[in-house]
Amino acid sequence: AQSVAQPEDQVNVAEGNPLTVKCTYSVSGNPYLFWYVQYPNRGLQFLLKYITGDNLVKGSYGFEAEFNKSQTSFHLKKPSALVSDSALYFCAVRDDSGGYQKVTFGTGTKLQVIP
Amino acid sequence: DTEVTQTPKHLVMGMTNKKSLKCEQHMGHRAMYWYKQKAKKPPELMFVYSYEKLSINESVPSRFSPECPNSSLLNLHLHALQPEDSALYLCASSLETGGRSPYEQYFGPGTRLTVT
Repeated sequence: AQSVAQPEDQVNVAEGNPLTVKCTYSVSGNPYLFWYVQYPNRGLQFLLKYITGDNLVKGSYGFEAEFNKSQTSFHLKKPSALVSDSALYFCAVRDDSGGYQKVTFGTGTKLQVIP
Repeated sequence: DTEVTQTPKHLVMGMTNKKSLKCEQHMGHRAMYWYKQKAKKPPELMFVYSYEKLSINESVPSRFSPECPNSSLLNLHLHALQPEDSALYLCASSLETGGRSPYEQYFGPGTRLTVT
């Protein structure tokens, strides 16, 4: 089965500093990877996805993610963090195992941006 | 319109009650999903509908009964729930369930369910 791992439960960063939220993946075949964000008491919002092509994927709200095949990673980045970026971030992978397609989410990383 | 709406926002029900959660989207999406999410945990897939037909049931107990009356609506009927079923129930939709291109999902705000 396909899977993603988010090694950090929480990431703290000062406002204005660059941020990175880590994700590694384990897939057989082509990796289709996503990042979602969840604000408190809200549903998830799609940020970006990697299908193929450029290793740097640009998404919503100034976020981008770097796909690295050799390190099997798909880290989420932003050059300058905002307090409003504080939320729960989920990495996800399309999982075609079991004969049908679904999305498997990582355990989530809480991002805290400190003013 | 890129919005998925869910009603009600909050629901408190006893273990003998019958209630329903509703979800609606008008994006022309043909795949719709129900997820269950516990606090600070990732969403857990429950059901997937593709072109109004149930395509995935992730071994969900029969006290949860999904229904897709048409391509824009998705219901989740609840009966004889247990306190451990208390959670945030999220509905999502995507253009399709897959194929060559993986489609992102659009989520509603969820229904916060408490079973007493």
